[in-house]
Amino acid sequence: DVKVTQSSRYLVKRTGEKVFLECVQDMDHENMFWYRQDPGLGLRLIYFSYDVKMKEKGDIPEGYSVSREKKERFSLILESASTNQTSMYLCASSFNRGRLVNTEAFFGQGTRLTVV
Amino acid sequence: GQQVMQIPQYQHVQEGEDFTTYCNSSTTLSNIQWYKQRPGGHPVFLIQLVKSGEVKKQKRLTFQFGEAKKNSSLHITATQTTDVGTYFCAGWSNDYKLSFGAGTTVTVRA
Repeated sequence: DVKVTQSSRYLVKRTGEKVFLECVQDMDHENMFWYRQDPGLGLRLIYFSYDVKMKEKGDIPEGYSVSREKKERFSLILESASTNQTSMYLCASSFNRGRLVNTEAFFGQGTRLTVV
Repeated sequence: GQQVMQIPQYQHVQEGEDFTTYCNSSTTLSNIQWYKQRPGGHPVFLIQLVKSGEVKKQKRLTFQFGEAKKNSSLHITATQTTDVGTYFCAGWSNDYKLSFGAGTTVTVRA
């Protein structure tokens, strides 16, 4: 079974702190994604990566950065946490079979981050 | 950029009734995927549609991809309490970006 593991289920941080959210997948997937989920807004893509050391901005990258030094790990960084970054963060991964062959995404259990 | 929109946002259904949720894209999609997220859970892949006009069934769920590959629908017949959750459609772009709609949250009245 594919496993996508996020380091924390719940996290409480203070405004201005640097926050690291970690995601590890065990299926040798090339693609990895970070989304945030807010009521009524669905899943909004923050950043994604289609290979090691590659990173691409999603739809809402402001205030975030990412790191992908190893294939299995994709980290989301909040440089200076703010209250409007309180949200559920979901990591996902998928195989990359080329631009014309899309595969299903597997999600982690999510990290509920509260910034106070 | 590619945008995927879903309607309705909420669907309150009497147990045993049918309902449909719709997904529309601002651009032509190479394929469309549907996911289900149970309350307190994470999204789980249901199905992928690739061909224009394609129709696929999973028990009481019927998925359809539009002829122009810009819209899709999910129809559930004889709704059960196990159908509760949020249903998302998602589309891939050519640069490996996977974009989701806002989802349709389904509640069922017994």
